[in-house]
Amino acid sequence: AQSVTQLDSHVSVSEGTPVLLRCNYSSSYSPSLFWYVQHPNKGLQLLLKYTSAATLVKGINGFEAEFKKSETSFHLTKPSAHMSDAAEYFCVVSENFGNEKLTFGTGTRLTIIP
Amino acid sequence: GAVVSQHPSWVICKSGTSVKIECRSLDFQATTMFWYRQFPKQSLMLMATSNEGSKATYEQGVEKDKFLINHASLTLSTLTVTSAHPEDSSFYICSASQGGRETQYFGPGTRLLVL
Repeated sequence: AQSVTQLDSHVSVSEGTPVLLRCNYSSSYSPSLFWYVQHPNKGLQLLLKYTSAATLVKGINGFEAEFKKSETSFHLTKPSAHMSDAAEYFCVVSENFGNEKLTFGTGTRLTIIP
Repeated sequence: GAVVSQHPSWVICKSGTSVKIECRSLDFQATTMFWYRQFPKQSLMLMATSNEGSKATYEQGVEKDKFLINHASLTLSTLTVTSAHPEDSSFYICSASQGGRETQYFGPGTRLLVL
């Protein structure tokens, strides 16, 4: 079975400072991992995905994430936060075992302080 | 590219009525579509997976007779909430993919309020 744990339900950072959103996963098979962002009243947008290629994945809007198998982590980072980054972020796992079922974490709300 | 639309974006209905929500892939053929439900301040929960031309596969605990899913074409899937009740009020989100390990692209969601 697959699962995802997002360690922080709410993160606040000042504009221009680094962002770190933490995610740990559990999977019986070789997983694919994703980060999605959800802005208020909008659909989910894919930020980046890991599918067993390079462990450091670069996504849109300056975000990146590093897959660390030994730590079963897939933390999302950004060097400098922007006001427009304020949103809900979901870490997602898929087990790549003949199905595409995604399992979502509980989400982290990112607040940017001006 | 990879745009998924949902219609309506929000709907209010009376208890006991049925509501149909459409999910369309606008610029690609979606072999597989997924329906999720999201309660306020909570994560997305997968309700069912549908492959074009086949019966949907429902997740445990989801009533298939209450949440009817049809995936009649490669660009359209519908979710019908039958005999809706206030506890069915939620945010319903669909996603679509081209099958296999392809990325899922999400629609903007439909907010349902049952009075």
